[in-house]
Amino acid sequence: DAGVTQSPTHLIKTRGQHVTLRCSPISGHKSVSWYQQVLGQGPQFIFQYYEKEERGRGNFPDRFSARQFPNYSSELNVNALLLGDSALYLCASSPDRAYTGELFFGEGSRLTVL
Amino acid sequence: AQSVAQPEDQVNVAEGNPLTVKCTYSVSGNPYLFWYVQYPNRGLQFLLKYITGDNLVKGSYGFEAEFNKSQTSFHLKKPSALVSDSALYFCAVRDINSNYQLIWGAGTKLIIKP
Repeated sequence: DAGVTQSPTHLIKTRGQHVTLRCSPISGHKSVSWYQQVLGQGPQFIFQYYEKEERGRGNFPDRFSARQFPNYSSELNVNALLLGDSALYLCASSPDRAYTGELFFGEGSRLTVL
Repeated sequence: AQSVAQPEDQVNVAEGNPLTVKCTYSVSGNPYLFWYVQYPNRGLQFLLKYITGDNLVKGSYGFEAEFNKSQTSFHLKKPSALVSDSALYFCAVRDINSNYQLIWGAGTKLIIKP
């Protein structure tokens, strides 16, 4: 079975631009979470979606938004990019809201903002 | 506030020797604790978790972790290190005050020398 897939794997944007990152969860998984990992730091939680509804939001500005589609895939959108948005963006899926279970991570989308 | 600390940025161990990667946590209530590993340019992979029960938890690739409630620690251990264990290791705790999202430590780089 395919794991969590993310696209694009790498991208370069300039300040002020917009970016859309995509994630396909493992088949049968209904929960998708997004994390930002800045170089040298642990991941920071951005969003969780479960059954197409936002179930949690981290401490990120409104420039960050996301949505989940009927097939449980998800998009993360970031507007008005700043240099500080340069990071590895990780998507994780789980069968449920994963209160106690493990998360399955994709390999990430590395965003560079110039 | 919930938090996780990994006091060592880097741990160096000779191949064949036992290894320990340290993690301490601060939570209100019962902790849900996790260890994940990240290989270069890859996503995060689940190693093991503690929810309840036996304080010694066994996980993937021969790793285990010991939960110590009095010391609020959850150290990762392996009896005999392999060069292939070299990677970045993250400890995480589930935040019951933030929709059960994971709070991550900053990570510990484990280097196993032949």
